[in-house]
Amino acid sequence: QVQLVESGGGVVQPERALRLSCAASGFSFSKYAMQWVRQAPGRGLECVAVISYDGINKNYADSVKDRFTISRDNSKNTVYLQMNSLRAEDTALYYCARDHAISGGSWGVLDYWGQGILVTVSP
Amino acid sequence: DIQMTQSPSSLSASVGDRVTITCRASQDIRNFLAWYQQKPGKVPELLIHAASTLQSGVPSRFSGSGSGTDFTLTISSLQPEDVAIYYCQKYSGALKTFGQGTKVEVK
Repeated sequence: QVQLVESGGGVVQPERALRLSCAASGFSFSKYAMQWVRQAPGRGLECVAVISYDGINKNYADSVKDRFTISRDNSKNTVYLQMNSLRAEDTALYYCARDHAISGGSWGVLDYWGQGILVTVSP
Repeated sequence: DIQMTQSPSSLSASVGDRVTITCRASQDIRNFLAWYQQKPGKVPELLIHAASTLQSGVPSRFSGSGSGTDFTLTISSLQPEDVAIYYCQKYSGALKTFGQGTKVEVK
């Protein structure tokens, strides 16, 4: 079965860095785009970064552009989110999710999600 | 950027009631619209894609409709286990945009 397991979260001071990992199993990882979605406490869902199946195409939300970097290692079935210059407003539960182009094309719906990993930015 | 607006932001209904949630896109997104359900303390789950196609395993009391800019999620007979926040999402592009969510409660 499809599994996505995030790791690397924790408490970090403002302006510091953190790297999240998401280990995938149960599907052909190299055939799917992957997304990072975050949810601040008591708030809605925000897609922050996406990477194509081959790692070539990457897109970022304006709120994290130039601070966060998404990458993947298809040999390790893992997607990463490097978060630099963290701010208090980056405090959230971070989910990785599989992007399934269910209707064809390059991008699609988020059909499998990890359990999420908490990132807290605090002095 | 395309904005997604849901209404209402919350609702309370009785078991067995018909519940309708609407989602409006600021531009035409054809049928690239999905609905997700997030139960309290749980991970979001995909309910519907392509505006009206039920994901495998989703109960048939859920249905979706619409195209272009106006979409609807309907629960034909609300059940206690449907208590959740429901999000619409446009997926016509790399970075998805979610609506702000609709909280559904049972009276």
